[in-house]
Amino acid sequence: EPEVTQTPSHQVTQMGQEVILRCVPISNHLYFYWYRQILGQKVEFLVSFYNNEISEKSEIFDDQFSVERPDGSNFTLKIRSTKLEDSAMYFCASMRNEQFFGPGTRLTVL
Amino acid sequence: QKEVEQNSGPLSVPEGAIASLNCTYSDRGSQSFFWYRQYSGKSPELIMSIYSNGDKEDGRFTAQLNKASQYVSLLIRDSQPSDSATYLCAVKTSYDKVIFGPGTSLSVIP
Repeated sequence: EPEVTQTPSHQVTQMGQEVILRCVPISNHLYFYWYRQILGQKVEFLVSFYNNEISEKSEIFDDQFSVERPDGSNFTLKIRSTKLEDSAMYFCASMRNEQFFGPGTRLTVL
Repeated sequence: QKEVEQNSGPLSVPEGAIASLNCTYSDRGSQSFFWYRQYSGKSPELIMSIYSNGDKEDGRFTAQLNKASQYVSLLIRDSQPSDSATYLCAVKTSYDKVIFGPGTSLSVIP
């Protein structure tokens, strides 16, 4: 059964560094998403991506964040100049009619 | 105005009982509604999707949708200890966002 995959599973970085989180969505899906979940809190929408461009973004998704679909399969989230408060689980999801999540990347900013 | 709200937990039910989970949403243009289950430290797992008013049954799970009342619910029949998890209501709004409620923690007591 097709599934969404994410790498790495855990990323540790120093404050101020840039990180790139990678996702491979399900191949025939049309919509791609990034979410963030801080420990013990709700799943927060960051951005949706459709037809090779951002379709919606939240207030959280500021200039520090960017997304790309560099080829036909990968979908990346770049966080520039990470802050301590960026520490969270980051989930990628893809959707045709139903939305499926990847296993997540745990980002720890020291 | 909170976009997706869920009844506050935690909810405890005895094994074999019916668990009832509720959700309300604010965007009247929303068309797609989802219930996810999330175990601690894991990503959300899709249980049910519902798009039309009424009931939709899948095994022990029944989703109910009332668009006029902006209300979605999930019933779990014959609850099992393995059903103990956080249940997330998600709504695809009239834009491309899929946003989540805060979740209801369910505990099924053997």
